[in-house]
Amino acid sequence: NAGVTQTPKFQVLKTGQSMTLQCAQDMNHNSMYWYRQDPGMGLRLIYYSASEGTTDKGEVPNGYNVSRLNKREFSLRLESAAPSQTSVYFCASSALTSRETQYFGPGTRLLVL
Amino acid sequence: SQQGEEDPQALSIQEGENATMNCSYKTSINNLQWYRQNSGRGLVHLILIRSNEREKHSGRLRVTLDTSKKSSSLLITASRAADTASYFCATALQGAQKLVFGQGTRLTINP
Repeated sequence: NAGVTQTPKFQVLKTGQSMTLQCAQDMNHNSMYWYRQDPGMGLRLIYYSASEGTTDKGEVPNGYNVSRLNKREFSLRLESAAPSQTSVYFCASSALTSRETQYFGPGTRLLVL
Repeated sequence: SQQGEEDPQALSIQEGENATMNCSYKTSINNLQWYRQNSGRGLVHLILIRSNEREKHSGRLRVTLDTSKKSSSLLITASRAADTASYFCATALQGAQKLVFGQGTRLTINP
C-alpha cells in the first residue's frame, strides 16, 4: 500500500518547455488535489477533482491543466513553463470530500530557468 | 490576513518542553485540521477537530478549538527532536469544497 505517489521527484525545465507531473493513489479515494508550495505562502490549491471525470479550478489554476485519467490517477500539465512556476508541487487525495483528511504525496520539486 | 494564520511563524524550544502553536481563521468552518511536514517531505495529517468539538487528544498532541474567537491551538507535550518540523493548520470552510492551509509554524526542538 504505497498511498500517494508522484513522479518525477525533481525536474529542471527551461522557460517555454512543457511537462506533466504524474500522481497516483491506491486508497480508492474519490477526490484528488494538486497544490503548490512556495516559501512563506503555505499550500495553494491549483486544481482538484471531486470524482473520476470531473475537475475544478482552485486558487491558482492559470498556466496549468489537469486530467483525471481514472480513479487512481490525476496528472498536472504545464504547457509552457514560466519561472514563476518554480515551486514544490504536491498531490493529495481524500476518501470522499475535501473536508476530510487529505493524504499527501512526497512532492515534485520543479525549477524553471 | 488570510484564512488560517499560524502564530508564531517560528518556535525553538528545548527537548522535553511543551510547544504551543496557534491558528486563527476568519470565516465559519466545518472542521479544522493540523498537519506536519518534515523537511523535504509531504504533509502528514495529525488531527481533525470538528466545529462542534472543543478539545481533542492524540498521544502527545492536544488540540483546542474556540469557534467564538475563531482560533485553534496545537499543544505538543514533552517534545522530542523528531518533532522538529513545520506545522500547518487547514480549515474546511462551510459551503466550500476545499481546505485552506495557513503558512505554517516552523518548530525546532533543540537537544
